[in-house]
Amino acid sequence: QVQLKESGPGLVQPSETLSLTCTVSGFSLTSYSVSWVRQPSGKGPEWMGRMWYDGDTAYNSALKSRLSISRDTSKNQVFLKMNSLQTDDTGTYYCTRDVAGSSDWGQGVMVTVSS
Amino acid sequence: DVVLTQSPATLSVTPGERISLSCRASESVDTYLHWYQQKPNESPRLLIKYASQSISGIPSRFSGSGSGTDFTLSINGVELEDLSIYYCQQGNSLPFTFGSGTKLEIK
Repeated sequence: QVQLKESGPGLVQPSETLSLTCTVSGFSLTSYSVSWVRQPSGKGPEWMGRMWYDGDTAYNSALKSRLSISRDTSKNQVFLKMNSLQTDDTGTYYCTRDVAGSSDWGQGVMVTVSS
Repeated sequence: DVVLTQSPATLSVTPGERISLSCRASESVDTYLHWYQQKPNESPRLLIKYASQSISGIPSRFSGSGSGTDFTLSINGVELEDLSIYYCQQGNSLPFTFGSGTKLEIK
């Protein structure tokens, strides 16, 4: 059974760095790509970036200067780090397994950027 | 970036109706277009992949069509459980953009 679970702090101070972890089970990170998608409350999703199955990465150009995605295949984890957070980075952050589009989603983690 | 424009923004429906939702791309995405359903306080769920391919476990009343820049999601006989927001996403070119969604509500 494919599962993805996001974890990380619910509250981040403005200008600080967000660190999130996606822990997966039921599939191998060396066989499937994983994306990060975020969604501000009441708005549509935004694709942030992807960790390809071969270890390569791709980023949304709008976030590329602030975003880094990495992985630890031995722990079945994919990591997101984004710096210089502002209030408009508030929202729910999801990791997804990509087969055709985002075929499987985690439950999401709500992140609030506030002092 | 490819811009996906979904219409209408909101659609009022009567249970049992056949309805169509539109997604228009600012440039061709071939058939790399996927549809998602999102219910309140839930994660999005993949409904249709590659414009028209069905997904295991998704009711057969959902279908998709189109290629290039114009795509349609159809629901043949809307049920109350279908009241959700529907998003399209293109997977043809980076970044893999989403549309702004169509919200189904009861008439």
